[in-house]
Amino acid sequence: EVQLVESGGGLVQPGGSLRLSCAVSGFSFSSYSMNWVRQAPGKGLEWVSHISSSSTTIYYADSVKGRFTISRDNAKNSLYLQMNSLRDEDTAVYYCARGGYPLDCWGQGTLVTVSS
Amino acid sequence: QAVLTQPSSLSASPGASASLTCTLRSGINVGTYRIYWYQQKPGSPPQYLLRYNSDSDKQQGSGVPSRFSGSKDASANAGILLISGLQSEDEADYYCMIWHNSAGVFGGGTKLTVL
Repeated sequence: EVQLVESGGGLVQPGGSLRLSCAVSGFSFSSYSMNWVRQAPGKGLEWVSHISSSSTTIYYADSVKGRFTISRDNAKNSLYLQMNSLRDEDTAVYYCARGGYPLDCWGQGTLVTVSS
Repeated sequence: QAVLTQPSSLSASPGASASLTCTLRSGINVGTYRIYWYQQKPGSPPQYLLRYNSDSDKQQGSGVPSRFSGSKDASANAGILLISGLQSEDEADYYCMIWHNSAGVFGGGTKLTVL
C-alpha cells in the first residue's frame, strides 16, 4: 500500500523556520518526482515546489522562492521542505504528493501555523 | 488575471450531469496543455481524478469511475470535467491544474453541490 506521511508542522512565529518531512512507503521512492502543495484554511490548493527523482530538477512557486528549500533522501525514502523567514500567509496544511504528471498520491498533510 | 479560472460553485441534481469548467487566461492556449483534475472532500487530501489533453492523450485515475471524463472547449479556451449520473458522494471541491512555465498552477476550485 502506498503511504505518504507528513510531519514537522506546528506553531511558529513570523520570521521563524520549520522543517517538514514526508516519509513514504509502498513504492519505489527513487523512481518518482515529488511535490509539496499547501492549502490555507478554507482556501484552495497552491502548488509549492517540485523535485525530480534524482534531485537534478527543482522548481518553486514565486511565493516561496528564496525562502523554502525542497530536498529528498532516496536512501531514507523521505522528502523534506525547509521553510525559513516564515510569514503569516504561509499558514496552511502542507501536503506531499507523488509524481507531477499527475500528482497521483497525496499524504494527509501537516498543519503549519505562523503566528505571534 | 489568474492563470486558471473556475466557477466557485455549481449545483446539480442526483442522476443529472455536471460540467465543470477551467478557463485558461488569455494568451495561454488550452490546446497545448494537459489538464489535470482533482477531487477533494472535506477533511481529506485531494485525490487525482484524470488527465485530459486530447482523445488520444488522456488518463483515468486508478479506480476512478468512467462517469468522470475530461474534454476541452477550444472556443472557450477551457478544460472541462464532465460528471454523469451524479451521486451524492460526488459532492466535493474540484480543482483543475496545469504545468505552466515550470510551475504547477491550480484553479481556485469549484464546490459541487448535489441536491
